[in-house]
Order: sequence, then C-alpha cells, then structure tokens
Amino acid sequence: LAKTTQPISMDSYEGQEVNITCSHNNIATNDYITWYQQFPSQGPRFIIQGYKTKVTNEVASLFIPADRKSSTLSLPRVSLSDTAVYYCLVGTYTDKLIFGTGTRLQVFP
Amino acid sequence: KAGVTQTPRYLIKTRGQQVTLSCSPISGHRSVSWYQQTPGQGLQFLFEYFSETQRNKGNFPGRFSGRQFSNSRSEMNVSTLELGDSALYLCASSSEPGQGNHEQYFGPGTRLTVT
Repeated sequence: LAKTTQPISMDSYEGQEVNITCSHNNIATNDYITWYQQFPSQGPRFIIQGYKTKVTNEVASLFIPADRKSSTLSLPRVSLSDTAVYYCLVGTYTDKLIFGTGTRLQVFP
Repeated sequence: KAGVTQTPRYLIKTRGQQVTLSCSPISGHRSVSWYQQTPGQGLQFLFEYFSETQRNKGNFPGRFSGRQFSNSRSEMNVSTLELGDSALYLCASSSEPGQGNHEQYFGPGTRLTVT
C-alpha cells in the first residue's frame, strides 16, 4: 500500500492560492491519486483525482510530475470556507485506501 | 440524487453493550465502505462491501463486523463496546468496488460515544 506524506498544517489568507504537496514515493503503476476535503464532524468530500500530468476541475487543480512520486493540490483564491483538512490518497482498484493525517488548512481574513 | 444517509446520527452506549449502525448508499451505488475516525488515529478503514460480499477488511478486531443487503444498504455492528470505540463512524459509497480510482461519497457519519 502506497504511503503518503503531507504537511500537517498550512496557513493562508483569503484570495491567495494554496498549494499542498503530497509525497508518495512508493506509488504503484496502477495507483490513482485522490484528494478529499473534510470539515469538522462531516464526512470527507471528493475534490479531485488524477493519474498523471495535470487535472483541473471547477474547484482545484492537481499537478502530477512525470515520476508520479508526488502531487500538488492547488486551490485558487481560497476563502474562509476552504478552512478544512485535506487528505491525499493513493490507491488502486482493489486496494483499501489509507487516509493518513491530512493537512489542516487555516484560511485567515 | 439523495446522498449517503447514516442512522442514527448520534448514539450513546455503555461499555459492554453492542451497537448497530446503518448506511444507505447513493441510489445505484453497489459498493459501501466503512471508516472509523478518532482524534488520535485519524480516518481508518474498517471494511468494504460489494454485492453483499466483504471485499476488503481493515486492521480491526473481530468485534467489528458488517454486512450488506441485496438493496446495497449496509450495517456495521460493534459488540462488547469499549471506551476506545468512541468515534465518528463514516460510511462511503461508490459505483464500483475498490476505491483507488473511483470517487467515494461519504455520509455525515454516526457519532458514537461509549461511557
């Protein structure tokens, strides 16, 4: 099972771009990279998923370098409501996913 | 589509008792996974069900069990409750089994407190 490492916490201000990097040195060929967001006392919410290169949706962008040993979640122009814990997960079709500790993002006004 | 629903939302039990939690996945989803979340251990995978069969199991004692019904609804049971079982229990559904490349939709969770 691929293990991920991400910063425990990050601070930002409203309107700034936030980049959260996740390391996954043991990523396997078939592994996908998925990011979830979680607010207190709620279930995680899917943000974005990718396999290689760059993926963008209406919420975020995911940058994956060619070696796929890391990935960066980019949140453009964060707001106070983006204060949450962000989890990076790596897994395959049959794996059970490991959430890890996540990154606690605090956005200040 | 209605989201994942979990019942009850809050539960208080006493040590030694047992508890059953219920999860109804999104309509059309056939895979259901359960997670336990505590401040100390974070989000931990319990088990995954697909077509009434357990496909994956996390590292939890046998006191934790689950099942899935033909309509994809799932229940998890914890017997002989311990104080350390106090946690937020989350259910997630997805269209296909395995979670690596399929988006999971999480329910609001059941907050279990064991006294």
